[in-house]
Amino acid sequence: AQRVTQPEKLLSVFKGAPVELKCNYSYSGSPELFWYVQYSRQRLQLLLRHISRESIKGFTADLNKGETSFHLKKPFAQEEDSAMYYCALSGRNTGNQFYFGTGTSLTVIP
Amino acid sequence: DSGVTQTPKHLITATGQRVTLRCSPRSGDLSVYWYQQSLDQGLQFLIHYYNGEERAKGNILERFSAQQFPDLHSELNLSSLELGDSALYFCASSVGRTSGGTDTQYFGPGTRLTVL
Repeated sequence: AQRVTQPEKLLSVFKGAPVELKCNYSYSGSPELFWYVQYSRQRLQLLLRHISRESIKGFTADLNKGETSFHLKKPFAQEEDSAMYYCALSGRNTGNQFYFGTGTSLTVIP
Repeated sequence: DSGVTQTPKHLITATGQRVTLRCSPRSGDLSVYWYQQSLDQGLQFLIHYYNGEERAKGNILERFSAQQFPDLHSELNLSSLELGDSALYFCASSVGRTSGGTDTQYFGPGTRLTVL
């Protein structure tokens, strides 16, 4: 069955420190992974998807099929990065339905 | 701005009542998805419509129903409301290709429902 796990509900880092938000998934087949960001209970915004291999706002994420992970990383956290981050999975087996993790609330301490 | 619009922005009602939430997808998108976001349960997928037809159901209660109209806008109807239905309800849309790849979902601003 499809499943997305974000093990950390809350994560705090100091400004300028590296940050890594963890995402693990379960999926049989070739998954498509996404990271969405939500600022202050506003709309979810797409941060990045693995197939585009872009770096948005300094964030990157690499799909590791061996470890079934898609961790989100940024080398130097900024205060404006404080938000809720959701990892999501989709693919042909899901009929384009998205499965979201429970989210990680990131706080960047000034 | 993702182009997905939702109305109303806020809705306050009483238990037992019925409300309708409206969503207009991005221009050209055929798929509409509804999600419920509550503080204790995170983001829950409710239902997916593609070009007017129901495609998938998630954790949607029987008291809830949805439809997608010929102009592709969608409505989520919530009836016999309970206190626990208080949440943010998001709509998302995507192109809705029928084969190959996965569409990115673009989210609306949400409707905040408060049931008193």
